[in-house]
Amino acid sequence: NAGVMQNPRHLVRRRGQEARLRCSPMKGHSHVYWYRQLPEEGLKFMVYLQKENIIDESGMPKERFSAEFPKEGPSILRIQQVVRGDSAAYFCASSPYPTGGNNSPLHFGNGTRLTVT
Amino acid sequence: QQQVKQSPQSLIVQKGGISIINCAYENTAFDYFPWYQQFPGKGPALLIAIRPDVSEKKEGRFTISFNKSAKQFSLHIMDSQPGDSATYFCAASRRDSSYKLIFGSGTRLLVRP
Repeated sequence: NAGVMQNPRHLVRRRGQEARLRCSPMKGHSHVYWYRQLPEEGLKFMVYLQKENIIDESGMPKERFSAEFPKEGPSILRIQQVVRGDSAAYFCASSPYPTGGNNSPLHFGNGTRLTVT
Repeated sequence: QQQVKQSPQSLIVQKGGISIINCAYENTAFDYFPWYQQFPGKGPALLIAIRPDVSEKKEGRFTISFNKSAKQFSLHIMDSQPGDSATYFCAASRRDSSYKLIFGSGTRLLVRP
């Protein structure tokens, strides 16, 4: 059973370009969370999605950031008009149930490291 | 109220020693407290987790101690090994807040041979 797959592993974008980060959850997992990690810091929650629905986007900046988890295909985190402050590691995690419910651990991917030049 | 405070920031332990990492929280609505281990270039991986109705949970060399009244919980790594050298994160989540994990700032553990 493959783990959570994220691609690309590394992404370099110039200021003003768009960044698209993809996440394929583990098989059978319909809950996806996105987190951002700045260097030497903990992970910060961004958004929680179930298939075709955004459940909680309270951690996501109101502008330039969007996320989706379509019925078919991976979850996508999109950052428009990137700025240097967007440089970070972005992690996706999945679970079959909401984290903590039914003792459902969260499985993380290895992240996408975004560098904005 | 949503913060989880973690200490120390870094920790050096000799092989065979005990590593202890502490976390404190404010929000009494948190009902799930996991610890994650992260190696460089990798995503965090769940080590062990506890709920507030239990004061201690042990899995192999890893133990969580939970003090509900003090709103603190800690990770103990017994017989620490060089392979345990990694960054450790505590976290907390609430059922009524989408179960999103609130992470501590991390502890970088180095176990010397």
